[in-house]
Amino acid sequence: EAQVTQNPRYLITVTGKKLTVTCSQNMNHEYMSWYRQDPGLGLRQIYYSMNVEVTDKGDVPEGYKVSRKEKRNFPLILESPSPNQTSLYFCASSLFRETRTYNEQFFGPGTRLTVL
Amino acid sequence: AQKVTQAQTEISVVEKEDVTLDCVYETRDTTYYLFWYKQPPSGELVFLIRRNSFDEQNEISGRYSWNFQKSTSSFNFTITASQVVDSAVYFCALSEWGNQFYFGTGTSLTVIP
Repeated sequence: EAQVTQNPRYLITVTGKKLTVTCSQNMNHEYMSWYRQDPGLGLRQIYYSMNVEVTDKGDVPEGYKVSRKEKRNFPLILESPSPNQTSLYFCASSLFRETRTYNEQFFGPGTRLTVL
Repeated sequence: AQKVTQAQTEISVVEKEDVTLDCVYETRDTTYYLFWYKQPPSGELVFLIRRNSFDEQNEISGRYSWNFQKSTSSFNFTITASQVVDSAVYFCALSEWGNQFYFGTGTSLTVIP
């Protein structure tokens, strides 16, 4: 089954404790992306990657890191989480052709993160 | 400035009524893509439609239809004969050059039986 998986689905942590949210897709998609969803703000893009070893900042990259060492994986790293990073996080992937992503993104199920 | 504006935060309709969700976007690119996604109460994000900037044809898919007007930078979504299962948050999104994505703040639709 074609899918994007995220782990963990729920996480409660404390300020300053480094964490990683994993994202994996099995569709051989070039493009992967992370979003955070907050009430009243919709989805905001954190980082995206157009291929292995290529990453770019989205609208809200502060406090986050990503890496793309393999095509299928795109982990989101919070080196020192703070309460304002409490949010619902989505990973997504898409085909990437002719220098752009024009196909729809497939989203993972979401990770609900609470930072105390 | 918001690149995608969904001015309607919440809409309630009675079942079988038609409802239109508005989306206004802002871009200087001549090539861009517009999307609509649905987020039901279960939380997943479901793709509904993609439009590129060169294709202004309106589209109908069952009870759903989309009206893309470049002259007004709008990409509105209409649900005909709404059903309770249509209750969800609907997001409009813009992709410039297909790389970075911008989502609107969403419209929460409640269909009352």
